[in-house]
Amino acid sequence: SQQGEEDPQALSIQEGENATMNCSYKTSINSLQWYRQNSGRGLVHLILIRSNEREKHSGRLRVTLDTSKKSSSLLITASRAADTASYFCATASGSGNTGKLIFGQGTTLQVKP
Amino acid sequence: NAGVTQTPKFRVLKTGQSMTLLCAQDMNHEYMYWYRQDPGMGLRLIHYSVGEGTTAKGEVPDGYNVSRLKKQNFLLGLESAAPSQTSVYFCASRPDRIASQISVGYTFGSGTRLTVV
Repeated sequence: SQQGEEDPQALSIQEGENATMNCSYKTSINSLQWYRQNSGRGLVHLILIRSNEREKHSGRLRVTLDTSKKSSSLLITASRAADTASYFCATASGSGNTGKLIFGQGTTLQVKP
Repeated sequence: NAGVTQTPKFRVLKTGQSMTLLCAQDMNHEYMYWYRQDPGMGLRLIHYSVGEGTTAKGEVPDGYNVSRLKKQNFLLGLESAAPSQTSVYFCASRPDRIASQISVGYTFGSGTRLTVV
C-alpha cells in the first residue's frame, strides 16, 4: 500500500515559473523526504524534513510540512529546464531504526524552455 | 566515484529462469534496500537489511530472496522469474542514523531494468 499520494500527477510550466507539488500521507510520520528522478535514472535525495519542523529551505527548494493535515508541499522557485523530472515524496514512520521509506507515486514535472 | 552500483543494468529472462541482481556500495552504509518501480505504482519495498547478515521483508517480498553476507553487498534473487516481475529494480543505502547523528536520505543506484518474457 502507498503511504503518499501526490498531486498533481503531472505539471507543465514555463521556465522561470514556480512549481508546487503536494504530498498527502495516511499515518503519523517521523520524517518526510523528497526525491528527484530524471528519466531512466535513479532517485536523488533533495531534502528531508522532520515531523517537528514546519518549513525547510535548500537553494531554490522550499518544503513545508503540516502534520495536522498530514500533508507536505515542495516548491521549486524560478524553475529551469533542467528541473524536468519526476518528484517523489517518501515518509518514514514507526518505531525502531529500520529506516524504511514509503514512496508516493510521484509528480512528473516538465519545464519548457 | 563513491556510491551505489547495480549490475546488470538490463536483463531479459524467460519465465522460470533464475537470476541474481547485485548491489554494491562503498560508503560503509549499514542499511540497504531493494525497491521495484512500476508505472503508476511508485516505488515499493521488496526486502531490506539493517546490517551485515540481516535481512527483512518489505511490502512485496513474494518471489524474491535476498542475502547480505558482506556489508557492502546486497543481493536480490529471483528463483523462478514470472512476467509480473518485469520492472525496474533499485537498490538504495543509507548510514546508520545513530552513527551519523542526523537523519539522512537514501543513496540510490541507477537501476536494473528486468523484462521477463
